[in-house]
Amino acid sequence: DQQVKQNSPSLSVQEGRISILNCDYTNSMFDYFLWYKKYPAEGPTFLISISSIKDKNEDGRFTVFLNKSAKHLSLHIVPSQPGDSAVYFCAASERSNFGNEKLTFGTGTRLTIIP
Amino acid sequence: GAGVSQTPSNKVTEKGKYVELRCDPISGHTALYWYRQSLGQGPEFLIYFQGTGAADDSGLPNDRFFAVRPEGSVSTLKIQRTERGDSAVYLCASSYFAGSNEQFFGPGTRLTVL
Repeated sequence: DQQVKQNSPSLSVQEGRISILNCDYTNSMFDYFLWYKKYPAEGPTFLISISSIKDKNEDGRFTVFLNKSAKHLSLHIVPSQPGDSAVYFCAASERSNFGNEKLTFGTGTRLTIIP
Repeated sequence: GAGVSQTPSNKVTEKGKYVELRCDPISGHTALYWYRQSLGQGPEFLIYFQGTGAADDSGLPNDRFFAVRPEGSVSTLKIQRTERGDSAVYLCASSYFAGSNEQFFGPGTRLTVL
């Protein structure tokens, strides 16, 4: 049962254009959402996050939108740059009974920026 | 400062052997997590430590998997009687405290079981 879904395994975008990566979730107990970026042979790196009480969070070229009623979030990157080429993972967090924030990841979207 | 480090970066072993994977978290981070990432999948939670104790081991797939963190810093993930299905990248992450949403990941150990 995939609780966090990224239905697009790959996406190609022209340099300078907007990249939009999508993520859907099923568990209404998730209270925080994060995007991680991963380069080959490296661990995932935190990019941006959003609390479930907000619908938008912006950080420079990166904006995350959350639609709670649709259980959908998206990451917008504008303008896209060649260095943005990586695999992007959507992750959702819920507080476990043990006090930790338990992350559930999607399967990732490979973004390729075309110069 | 230094990030999360993991050793070895690659481990090749034969079916049935025992392996140990090491994680050195960011200094001062009390929470430590192990994840497993299989090909084409996102990281999947295995176990969480707060200090020295394994507070949440609900993600361990079976009793062949075990992890320790004896002094509240370095952690070792131990896999007994390895199977080909254990082949994956094992990721370690740490955070300043358990309630922190942002986890910092190491580069992972790629385990291949032949």
